[in-house]
Amino acid sequence: KNEVEQSPQNLTAQEGEFITINCSYSVGISALHWLQQHPGGGIVSLFMLSSGKKKHGRLIATINIQEKHSSLHITASHPRDSAVYICAVRSSSGGGADGLTFGKGTHLIIQP
Amino acid sequence: KAGVTQTPRYLIKTRGQQVTLSCSPISGHRSVSWYQQTPGQGLQFLFEYFSETQRNKGNFPGRFSGRQFSNSRSEMNVSTLELGDSALYLCASTWDRNSGANVLTFGAGSRLTVL
Repeated sequence: KNEVEQSPQNLTAQEGEFITINCSYSVGISALHWLQQHPGGGIVSLFMLSSGKKKHGRLIATINIQEKHSSLHITASHPRDSAVYICAVRSSSGGGADGLTFGKGTHLIIQP
Repeated sequence: KAGVTQTPRYLIKTRGQQVTLSCSPISGHRSVSWYQQTPGQGLQFLFEYFSETQRNKGNFPGRFSGRQFSNSRSEMNVSTLELGDSALYLCASTWDRNSGANVLTFGAGSRLTVL
């Protein structure tokens, strides 16, 4: 069974701080997703990774396939970054036909 | 272009009833996947469809079913509702058959309350 663990579960930081959210998984994967969910429910896909590193604005996502670990970084954090960040993986078993397995999410609050 | 549209946005049902939720994907997207989100279990995969065929199903009882139409619109149905089915039901679409290997676009969700 594929397990996805995120840390920390909750994080409160001051505006401007550098934020790191971690995601570890237990099986081989074909893809890893970072998602953002604001209060009210809407989910936005931030990144989809299968290797290496991606950057979009102040957000950076990295993945280490050998260590089964990914990190999401936020530089120069802002109160509007306050949200739940969710890691999800697609197992590489079964020819990649499995659905996504999700972490429990990291609740991030950025204080002004 | 229009995003992923889910209807209805909110609904209240009683135990034993059934419910049908609808998802219209982004134009051109042929893959639709469904997810359940609850405070206790978080997000869980329900099923995914590509070109009217169910490609994968999560670990949910047979009361949960779905289908996809030729225009890629998808519906999911939950029969004999239980209190534990109260949740936010989200769908997502992408263009490729392997929904997890591509960036997903999510709808706003349908919030179901079972009384």
